[in-house]
Amino acid sequence: GAVVSQHPSRVICKSGTSVKIECRSLDFQATTMFWYRQFPKQSLMLMATSNEGSKATYEQGVEKDKFLINHASLTLSTLTVTSAHPEDSSFYICSARVITTNEKLFFGSGTQLSVL
Amino acid sequence: SQKIEQNSEALNIQEGKTATLTCNYTNYSPAYLQWYRQDPGRGPVFLLLIRENEKEKRKERLKVTFDTTLKQSLFHITASQPADSATYLCAGTPSNTGKLIFGQGTTLQVKP
Repeated sequence: GAVVSQHPSRVICKSGTSVKIECRSLDFQATTMFWYRQFPKQSLMLMATSNEGSKATYEQGVEKDKFLINHASLTLSTLTVTSAHPEDSSFYICSARVITTNEKLFFGSGTQLSVL
Repeated sequence: SQKIEQNSEALNIQEGKTATLTCNYTNYSPAYLQWYRQDPGRGPVFLLLIRENEKEKRKERLKVTFDTTLKQSLFHITASQPADSATYLCAGTPSNTGKLIFGQGTTLQVKP
């Protein structure tokens, strides 16, 4: 199956700093990628849809200026958590669709963000 | 609002038995539902997709059903093994938006 690589897997940062998370599709091109957030023992909550070459579409309640998304190429999307605070600590997961198998998603391995 | 709900937070069964997980959807009619497996600290992995015009789909020890009358999908694992222990997520696409929303998940524990 298609492989989505997400990096870093774990990051610890101080409050007020910014953190960038990368999501790469390794063996396919992804015009659309999705960013999810997951709190402990809760389900995945969609944050935004990242479209190659255009602005991301954010879900209601997600601050676009805080969670900056860039999808500059068909294989790379990045999520930057700006001025991180402890309440931003969470598990962030990216996913992508393969054009030929339009419905199912392939997920990265996730990034555990801890803001001190 | 459109929702995907998995009623059981946790399910404990004995090895060899059949695990049955439930997914209900409200306020919309999905064209298809999907089931994913998630292990701790990992991203979900796709298992099965079932369309609204399919009553049942199978893959090895897995079986998924789709009942549009009950607005429900059931996910079965037959001859369960301890290695099947994980969280299983049901997902659907509201209003065919292309976005996938997930249920809360059911954590399955298979005891030897």
